[in-house]
Amino acid sequence: AQKVTQAQTEISVVEKEDVTLDCVYETRDTTYYLFWYKQPPSGELVFLIRRNSFDEQNEISGRYSWNFQKSTSSFNFTITASQVVDSAVYFCALSESPGQNFVFGPGTRLSVLP
Amino acid sequence: NAGVTQTPKFRILKIGQSMTLQCTQDMNHNYMYWYRQDPGMGLKLIYYSVGAGITDKGEVPNGYNVSRSTTEDFPLRLELAAPSQTSVYFCASKGGFDNEQFFGPGTRLTVL
Repeated sequence: AQKVTQAQTEISVVEKEDVTLDCVYETRDTTYYLFWYKQPPSGELVFLIRRNSFDEQNEISGRYSWNFQKSTSSFNFTITASQVVDSAVYFCALSESPGQNFVFGPGTRLSVLP
Repeated sequence: NAGVTQTPKFRILKIGQSMTLQCTQDMNHNYMYWYRQDPGMGLKLIYYSVGAGITDKGEVPNGYNVSRSTTEDFPLRLELAAPSQTSVYFCASKGGFDNEQFFGPGTRLTVL
């Protein structure tokens, strides 16, 4: 069975600090896909990144970076030089092949204080 | 493209009433999903569909029904509303099995 754990329920940082959000997943499949979504206070869900199980390269997009490690079943998300606008709930999600079902983690609420 | 649209945005129901939450996507996506998000919680899958005419249960299907007569539309039906169904409901779609999901803006439902 697939499962996603986000052990950090809430994190508070001061603006310009770096912050890492943890995501640990469980799956029996060798082919799977991992995702991060952002849910700002306005409530919509915003797609951030997709990574498939065959691509362990880390990715950087501006202040965002993702570290995918199959050996530890983790897909962690780092925000560098955090800003108040980064305040949101962040969800990690897993989809197994053939991928018709997503499982979301419980989310991590990030508060960036000015 | 409008993406995924949901109506209504807000609704208050009385216990025992029924209603249909509408979801439409204009991206010609095969896969569609319904989730509920309770306050302060993550998303739980209610039902999903891999194409017109095909639907399947997710983690929390009790009290809900769906249909998928067209590629574009995936309505969610609540029969005999209960206070436990108070939640925000999100519809989502995706094009291929390895694609990300695109979400609608959500419907906030309160059952009193």
